[in-house]
Amino acid sequence: DTAVSQTPKYLVTQMGNDKSIKCEQNLGHDTMYWYKQDSKKFLKIMFSYNNKELIINETVPNRFSPKSPDKAHLNLHINSLELGDSAVYFCASSTPTEPATNEKLFFGSGTQLSVL
Amino acid sequence: GQSLEQPSEVTAVEGAIVQINCTYQTSGFYGLSWYQQHDGGAPTFLSYNGLDGLEETGRFSSFLSRSDSYGYLLLQELQMKDSASYFCAVSTVSGTTPLVFGKGTRLSVIA
Repeated sequence: DTAVSQTPKYLVTQMGNDKSIKCEQNLGHDTMYWYKQDSKKFLKIMFSYNNKELIINETVPNRFSPKSPDKAHLNLHINSLELGDSAVYFCASSTPTEPATNEKLFFGSGTQLSVL
Repeated sequence: GQSLEQPSEVTAVEGAIVQINCTYQTSGFYGLSWYQQHDGGAPTFLSYNGLDGLEETGRFSSFLSRSDSYGYLLLQELQMKDSASYFCAVSTVSGTTPLVFGKGTRLSVIA
């Protein structure tokens, strides 16, 4: 059983298109995240949701919109895709209810987005 | 804001010991984590230090000195499969504050 699953694994699309990436976790975690990893492997937080509510929204263009229908799902919608959006996008989850383990993120397998 | 510094690349011989250092600057420091990422894979949790000292998990150990804003990951009895990128990450508030990652250290284990 996959703990954090995201689809699709690969996404190739043209500039200007709109695309979505889905993420689901079956760990019962309260908090979910989207991270972007660029070609230099720098992992940067984009969004953080706790129990369906947005907590953190880093300096991300408003073309990116997260949607959390329930606390097990956090999807990422991207409008008007640009070349610079090409990267690997990772979904992750954690639970803040266990102080000893709340810093442990569980990552999905990533979505390689290529904008042509 | 937060900043983390770690070496970009390290090469070590199979069977040896390697130490990957991480220095950080942040306000409201809470803990330091380490993650491993193989090429094409997802980051996976290795260890967490919330207090000063050494945490040992099998061949991997992690150390934290809060007064020095410094930590390291120690890998012993290196194996070829340890070739990967290693990221340190800081957290500043217990709970929902997301981790801020360093830029990663690429470890190459050679025969």
